[in-house]
Formats: sequence, C-alpha cells, structure tokens
Amino acid sequence: QMQLVESGGGVVQPGRSLRLSCAASGFAFSSYGMHWVRQAPGKGLEWVAVISNDGSNIYYADSVKGRFTISRDNSKNTLFLQMNSLRDEDTAVYYCAKDSPTWLHLIDYWGQGTLVTVSS
Amino acid sequence: DIVMTQSPDSLAVSLGERATINCKSSPSVLSSSNNKNFLAWYQHKPGQPPKLLIYWASTRESGVPERFSGSGSGTDFTLTINSLQAEDVAVYYCQQYYSSPYTFGQGTTLEIK
Repeated sequence: QMQLVESGGGVVQPGRSLRLSCAASGFAFSSYGMHWVRQAPGKGLEWVAVISNDGSNIYYADSVKGRFTISRDNSKNTLFLQMNSLRDEDTAVYYCAKDSPTWLHLIDYWGQGTLVTVSS
Repeated sequence: DIVMTQSPDSLAVSLGERATINCKSSPSVLSSSNNKNFLAWYQHKPGQPPKLLIYWASTRESGVPERFSGSGSGTDFTLTINSLQAEDVAVYYCQQYYSSPYTFGQGTTLEIK
C-alpha cells in the first residue's frame, strides 16, 4: 500500500540548516508531484512547497522562499526539503504529501510527519 | 495570495446531529476554464496525518462516508457532516489549490456536545 515516511527532523539552533527526507513506496513516485506542508505547535496547516513529477516546476510559500529548497530523486523514490537559515517560527511538524493525478496541486495523501524544533 | 477564512473556529454538536462548517475564499477559486472550484476539505485527527475528504468543492474522496458532503461555489463553501459520529471529532480544514501559495483555512475544531 501507499506509504510516505519522513525523516531528518530534530532539534537545531537558529540560523543552522537541516535536511528532511521523505521515502515513498506503493505508488509510481516519478509520476506525481509532491508537497511539503507544516504545522506549528498549536497552529493550523501551512503549505510550504510543491515540486512537479520531474522537478521542472517548483513553488514556495513566501515564508520559506530563499531559505528552503524542495527537490527529489526519482531513482530513489525520495523527496527532500533542504532548510537553511532556520528561525524559531520554522518549528513545526513537517508533512510530506502526494499530489493528485494530472498535477492538480491537490494533496490526496499525507505522510505521518517529522518534528523540527528550532531552539537555542 | 488567496485568503481562506473558516467559520466557526470551533463547534460542538450532539451525536447524530448535523455539523456545518463554512469556508470563504478571497478571491474566488472558481476556474473559468473548466467551471470547477479548486477547493478541498481535510479532516485532521490528533496523532494522525490529515485526510482528504472532499475535492472540487463537492466530490467525495473514495472511501469517505456519505455523511460527509461539500457544497458551494466561487467564494463560499460548506462542509456538512450529517448524523455526527464520535469518530468525526477532529479539526477540519479547507484549502484552495487554484493558485500558489496553496493556502489553508485556519481550521475548525469539531467536538461532541
């Protein structure tokens, strides 16, 4: 069955970097766009970034543009989020999520999430 | 950016009764090219990832119980849960997928009265 498993979360100091990974299985990863969505403690969902199936189209939320980079390795069925210049407000559970067929930018499946804590 | 605003922020409904959650978009998320509303609803239970319930404003995702329904067009949308069950306790979010950034509403917490 379909699975998305995030990893790479942890505690990091402000200004430092962290790289999240999301291992996909149970579907044709290279055929689908992929998203990152986050949820800060006690807050709602915030969309972060999306990448098309071949990596040719990428969009970011303004709050992370210039600091975060979404990428993918279709040969390894893995999605990444490189997070640089981390701030306290980046503390959140980060979810990897699958886009719907035909690149609608509709999220139809989510991973369990990984917690990133930015703190000195 | 498209702003999504949900109401109410929370509500409590008795078991077996109807729950209604509203979502407003500004501006519209109705596409003139395909006459479809780029609006989805998600259910988020504690300790679980969010789950897609409704897309195109009113199309139920496969496996979602029929008591969940979506309606509306343009800028005003509604998620209705008929005959509320205990397992429906969750936070519900609307999201537009019309244009980047793909913004969510602030969420509505649904509890049992």
